Amino acid sequence: AQTVTQSQPEMSVQEAETVTLSCTYDTSESDYYLFWYKQPPSRQMILVIRQEAYKQQNATENRFSVNFQKAAKSFSLKISDSQLGDAAMYFCAQETSGSRLTFGEGTQLTVNP
Amino acid sequence: DGGITQSPKYLFRKEGQNVTLSCEQNLNHDAMYWYRQDPGQGLRLIYYSQIVNDFQKGDIAEGYSVSREKKESFPLTVTSAQKNPTAFYLCASSIGVTGELFFGEGSRLTVL
Repeated sequence: AQTVTQSQPEMSVQEAETVTLSCTYDTSESDYYLFWYKQPPSRQMILVIRQEAYKQQNATENRFSVNFQKAAKSFSLKISDSQLGDAAMYFCAQETSGSRLTFGEGTQLTVNP
Repeated sequence: DGGITQSPKYLFRKEGQNVTLSCEQNLNHDAMYWYRQDPGQGLRLIYYSQIVNDFQKGDIAEGYSVSREKKESFPLTVTSAQKNPTAFYLCASSIGVTGELFFGEGSRLTVL
């Protein structure tokens, strides 16, 4: 069974600083998608960024970027210039067969003013 | 606006009662999913459906049932057989190609 592991239950960052959230996964497939979702206090899940495994270039969306290491099965999220609105629970997810997503346990990010 | 609507947002139920959570989407997505979220455990897949009149069990299907009679609708019934039903339930849909999920706002079920 595929597993996704987020080893940091909680992280904190000062406003305007950079923070990196870690994620590792386990799969035997060669082509798949990886995602980072954000869940603010409203509980609405929002897609932050997506990475296709066959693409070597790391995905970037404005202040959010990933460090995708396929051989190491690592998929970390970097948030630059952190803002108060970035405070949320962040979930790493991997697409499995049948377009199912397997989620990690989440990392609660606090942004300090 | 296109999106996913879940109702009710909050639901209380007595032990031994079945309850049905509604999920409707107007995104014209083929695939729909139900996830359960408990504190510290992330999201776990209950059931999913990739096409009308067909659905598959996820990782924690015991005590739950679903139907998919229309493309737009994927209701989840939490039966009295579910031993620990108090949780936050999230419905999602996807086009099915990229794997990206679009989520509803969730339903919080509390068993009294």
